Amino acid sequence: DAKTTQPTSMDCAEGRAANLPCNHSTISGNEYVYWYRQIHSQGPQYIIHGLKNNETNEMASLIITEDRKSSTLILPHATLRDTAVYYCIVRSRVPGGYQKVTFGTGTKLQVIP
Amino acid sequence: DAGVIQSPRHEVTEMGQEVTLRCKPISGHDYLFWYRQTMMRGLELLIYFNNNVPIDDSGMPEDRFSAKMPNASFSTLKIQPSEPRDSAVYFCASSLVAGDSYEQYFGPGTRLTVT
Repeated sequence: DAKTTQPTSMDCAEGRAANLPCNHSTISGNEYVYWYRQIHSQGPQYIIHGLKNNETNEMASLIITEDRKSSTLILPHATLRDTAVYYCIVRSRVPGGYQKVTFGTGTKLQVIP
Repeated sequence: DAGVIQSPRHEVTEMGQEVTLRCKPISGHDYLFWYRQTMMRGLELLIYFNNNVPIDDSGMPEDRFSAKMPNASFSTLKIQPSEPRDSAVYFCASSLVAGDSYEQYFGPGTRLTVT
């Protein structure tokens, strides 16, 4: 899997958009970008994933640059419950199979009242 | 669905004792994963199963650790004998690999303390 680089920590004011960057400059053409988050004392939670198009679901939006070397996870209206560690992961598509991934250290997002 | 269920949620044991952690994956999922999380090493994949068969156990730290999946709805991770350095939060996760989708769904974890 391609290596990812994320800031160690970020702050965001409650109600504002939280933009979490991820650098994956060595990503290859068949690798997807996945985002998970881990709220304190809970198991990681899947958020969103994408290949090259921007994606949106009920939790967040994922913006992937045209060269796919970086991406941004956007939480449009951050709440205190969004305080968590956010992990950016890239993984290959293995038809009918699974490939091990490394979660890394992630970005600790603190939403401030 | 109740999600991935793990038991116990907390376990405190003395060094040398056997510890068994249990996991019930989401019904219909064909992959099951065991992870360990510590402050020093982060989240580490220990072993994963596909259709109840262990596929990759390269993350299992040593022979004291063993994992089984006797059927599609149950898995165990056993540590025998346990040591203080095994203290960590152990997560079980399950997944249904379908098309391009590889989302893993994690349980609440078991916090293990070995004294």
